[in-house]
Amino acid sequence: QVQLVQSGSELKKPGASVTVSCKAAGYSFTNHAINWVRQAPGQRLFWMGSINTDSGNPTYAQGFTGRFVISLDTSVSTAYLQINRLQAEDTAVYFCVRSRPLWGFVFDIWGQGTVVTVSS
Amino acid sequence: EIVMTQDPATLSVSPGERATLSCRASQSIRNTLAWYQHKPGQPPRLLIFRASTRASDIPPRFSGSGSGTEFTLTISSLQSEDFAVYFCMQYHDWPRTFGQGTKVEIK
Repeated sequence: QVQLVQSGSELKKPGASVTVSCKAAGYSFTNHAINWVRQAPGQRLFWMGSINTDSGNPTYAQGFTGRFVISLDTSVSTAYLQINRLQAEDTAVYFCVRSRPLWGFVFDIWGQGTVVTVSS
Repeated sequence: EIVMTQDPATLSVSPGERATLSCRASQSIRNTLAWYQHKPGQPPRLLIFRASTRASDIPPRFSGSGSGTEFTLTISSLQSEDFAVYFCMQYHDWPRTFGQGTKVEIK
């Protein structure tokens, strides 16, 4: 079964770091880019960036450079989103999503989401 | 960036009735529009891509139409499992952008 399984919820203090993982199963990991999407409370979804799982090259949306790092480990078919120097505004659900090249790179398979709460 | 606007924010529909959801793009995106269904605690599910092509295993009561800037998702006869949030996404350009969602609730 094709799926993306994300790591569990996190509660962090401001200034700390968090890493969310996204493990792929049921397909060839390096054939599909992985994207990260954020949904803050009451807000619409926002594309943060993506990573080419073949080259390992990440791309970041405006506003998601500096504190955000997207990486991967192809040996375990897993992508990672690291957020440094957490702020209260980073409280959100974070989704990893696969792109499907043959369907025009539409986002087709989503992880279940990881809730990150930043609170002192 | 391309702004996606969905109407209405909430749609109250009785089971068995038709639901019509709208998504508008701030500029032409041709047919690079996808629709998703999102239920609490579950990952979003791709319903429609290329504006009108159903994804795998999506029942025919879901249909999409439109091109350019105006798009519609129609659920022909709502089933109990269809009550959820629906959102659109354009993949014509980067950054990918999403509508704010339409909640389809039981009337």
